[in-house]
Amino acid sequence: GDSVTQMEEPVTLSEEAFLTINCTYTATGYPSLFWYVQYPGEGLQLLLKATKADDKGSNKGFEATYRKETTSFHLEKGSVQVSDSAVYFCALLNTNAGKSTFGDGTTLTVKP
Amino acid sequence: EAGVAQSPRYKIIEKRQSVAFWCNPISGHATLYWYQQILGQGPKLLIQFQNNGVVDDSQLPKDRFSAERLKGVDSTLKIQPAKLEDSAVYLCASSSGLAGDGTGELFFGEGSRLTVL
Repeated sequence: GDSVTQMEEPVTLSEEAFLTINCTYTATGYPSLFWYVQYPGEGLQLLLKATKADDKGSNKGFEATYRKETTSFHLEKGSVQVSDSAVYFCALLNTNAGKSTFGDGTTLTVKP
Repeated sequence: EAGVAQSPRYKIIEKRQSVAFWCNPISGHATLYWYQQILGQGPKLLIQFQNNGVVDDSQLPKDRFSAERLKGVDSTLKIQPAKLEDSAVYLCASSSGLAGDGTGELFFGEGSRLTVL
């Protein structure tokens, strides 16, 4: 079945540091890929998405590129802010079944 | 546009008791999902509705969990009887697309946190 694996260890960075959160997936067919973010006390919300190979999703300074050859969708940001502190979830959508599968989330803490 | 509404936000019950959660999706969204999120894990799909029909309930523990979406709008998830391992956040999400059309984005409510003692 479909699965998503993302780095589970919490990430702690200083403000303005470079961020990478790794995400790899296993899926049949051609899934769409997503990053969702959950800020403290709030529900999950879409951060960015990519629907086909080599697409780059971007939003709020975050970027991720759909790499079919490595089955990856790593999240990056060049300069993080304290307000980026949140839990980040990588997810895929099986477009045949209309079913989304999530990774276990990565907690990011940015210190001033 | 109003978001996905869920209630109650918090519920504490004893094991073997019952509990019900309610969800009202974004107006016009055909597809509704219930997810279970255990602390430290990602959301796991319990059931997916398209309008008032069930698309996928393969991961729903049917001996204790039930869900309905009678008029294709709001939905109720029930647990009876509850077990300790049901302690989790129950997330409702909706999307405008139909299952299989790949439009993708899920809109989540804030969740209902259940603690079973």
